Amino acid sequence: DAKTTQPTSMDCAEGRAANLPCNHSTISGNEYVYWYRQIHSQGPQYIIHGLKNNETNEMASLIITEDRKSSTLILPHATLRDTAVYYCIVRASYSGGGADGLTFGKGTHLIIQP
Amino acid sequence: AAGVIQSPRHLIKEKRETATLKCYPIPRHDTVYWYQQGPGQDPQFLISFYEKMQSDKGSIPDRFSAQQFSDYHSELNMSSLELGDSALYFCASSREPGATYEQYFGPGTRLTVT
Repeated sequence: DAKTTQPTSMDCAEGRAANLPCNHSTISGNEYVYWYRQIHSQGPQYIIHGLKNNETNEMASLIITEDRKSSTLILPHATLRDTAVYYCIVRASYSGGGADGLTFGKGTHLIIQP
Repeated sequence: AAGVIQSPRHLIKEKRETATLKCYPIPRHDTVYWYQQGPGQDPQFLISFYEKMQSDKGSIPDRFSAQQFSDYHSELNMSSLELGDSALYFCASSREPGATYEQYFGPGTRLTVT
């Protein structure tokens, strides 16, 4: 799986949009971009994933650049409960092999300020 | 909605003892993953199962073994426990293996080895 690079930490004001960047310059054509977050020792929480197109769900939006070498997770209206470590993970498609585990990097510690 | 269930939530064992952690996946999920998160570290993939067969293996020590049963629940068996095994152990499940299917994590089991 391709490696990812994320800022160590970020601040965002409550009520504003939080934009979390991720670089994955070695991503290959069959690799998905996944975002998870972990709130203080709770189980990681799935947020969103995408392959090429931008994606949106009830939690967030995922913007993937046309060359797929980077992406941005957008939390449209951040609340204090969004304070967490956010992980950007690249994951290869299933190719008849196994159930591959996720490779967590260092992630971004997002702090929402009141 | 039903989530991944893990038991016990907390476990205290002494060095050289044995521990068994249990995971009950989301209904109709046939793929289970195990992760270990040491203090101050990011989650590390241990092992996965698909349709009751071991599928992928990560950094799982030889002292650990796991299996998935006919009802799709999984157990992680840990023998000759060491102080360094103290960690959060997360189980995740997905509907099927592969990158198109997101993994949903349980709340974790906190294992303390004294």
